[in-house]
Amino acid sequence: DGGITQSPKYLFRKEGQNVTLSCEQNLNHDAMYWYRQDPGQGLRLIYYSQIVNDFQKGDIAEGYSVSREKKESFPLTVTSAQKNPTAFYLCASSIAGSGRREPSSYNEQFFGPGTRLTVL
Amino acid sequence: QKEVEQNSGPLSVPEGAIASLNCTYSDRGSQSFFWYRQYSGKSPELIMFIYSNGDKEDGRFTAQLNKASQYVSLLIRDSQPSDSATYLCAVKEDKIIFGKGTRLHILP
Repeated sequence: DGGITQSPKYLFRKEGQNVTLSCEQNLNHDAMYWYRQDPGQGLRLIYYSQIVNDFQKGDIAEGYSVSREKKESFPLTVTSAQKNPTAFYLCASSIAGSGRREPSSYNEQFFGPGTRLTVL
Repeated sequence: QKEVEQNSGPLSVPEGAIASLNCTYSDRGSQSFFWYRQYSGKSPELIMFIYSNGDKEDGRFTAQLNKASQYVSLLIRDSQPSDSATYLCAVKEDKIIFGKGTRLHILP
């Protein structure tokens, strides 16, 4: 049963606290992504990784950190430097990452169920 | 700044009618185009992708791409109440950019 899992489903953070969101996939996908979604807004890219031990900043990376030590895992840490972290966080994966300019089904992104983070 | 634009809606369509969702993009180099459906509180689900100019049909869904006009659309035939959701358009050039989505409401 292949797919992408995220945990926890709901997370509450106190001011000044770091929290880590888990993302795991067993699809054997090379590329993984983290997005943030705010109410009524589209998806904004936080970080992405095209291969193990490599990752790139997205459009809103400040206050976040990631690691990619294993192909199947791409955890996101929301640090205390992120001033407004309350949002819906979505992890996604695709067979191949960005940089393939030609059209390809490898670019299709599949999403996990999301983690809803609330700052208390 | 590369952009993907969608009308935020809500778009209200009677049950059984055709729902038409539109998306424009700014980067002429874009090669791949995707439509995702997102129910409230859930994650996006890929429903269609298209690479070539013209129409692509899958069941009740038809994606239409016009690269000259930088326009991609999604038609939903025989709309059902279960189609009520937010539809996100996504466009890939060097990376995927998502629009903010159009809320679709199917009226029973």
